[in-house]
Amino acid sequence: GAGVSQSPSNKVTEKGKDVELRCDPISGHTALYWYRQSLGQGLEFLIYFQGNSAPDKSGLPSDRFSAERTGGSVSTLTIQRTQQEDSAVYLCASSLVGGANEQFFGPGTRLTVL
Amino acid sequence: DAKTTQPPSMDCAEGRAANLPCNHSTISGNEYVYWYRQIHSQGPQYIIHGLKNNETNEMASLIITEDRKSSTLILPHATLRDTAVYYCIVRGPNAGGTSYGKLTFGQGTILTVHP
Repeated sequence: GAGVSQSPSNKVTEKGKDVELRCDPISGHTALYWYRQSLGQGLEFLIYFQGNSAPDKSGLPSDRFSAERTGGSVSTLTIQRTQQEDSAVYLCASSLVGGANEQFFGPGTRLTVL
Repeated sequence: DAKTTQPPSMDCAEGRAANLPCNHSTISGNEYVYWYRQIHSQGPQYIIHGLKNNETNEMASLIITEDRKSSTLILPHATLRDTAVYYCIVRGPNAGGTSYGKLTFGQGTILTVHP
């Protein structure tokens, strides 16, 4: 079946612009996670959705970062007024809720802020 | 979530077993041991997980010590395509707790399989 998909695969933007990154989770997966991977920081958690609500936003680095999820499916991560330090690969993962259900990752969006 | 310690790198000959160790001495009773790997420029790939008992699937085996303070991932017949960064992660369930099952990645072990 279809896995987690993300778009765009690559995004180059200028400092100060806003960007939107999209994640399509596996159908039926209620839990959705955003992570980012940068050279200096490794792979770090950003935000967790259960359905359309986000009970854990503790990893968002600043108020320029926000995310939403609609219909319990697609999620969008928005970065406002991008900075060069936002350059990273943004990864989305989804899973069933409960117990030890494993997370399945998408291929990521590589964001480059010039 | 408990912290894990892994060697930064390991080598393995193609066709031989690769044994990747992980220490997680502060693991809690309801925390699972997960293994993911990341091949260059791809998203992390789930390999296997366990709570107390040893586990085996089509990709690998997971051996967890009786006190649960360490574990070993075994790739029985390593191939060149197994060259990747391997992450050992300890996490709680994604319901009923405050961690929501989020994964905390360390630096992992860079496994290089050579001919």
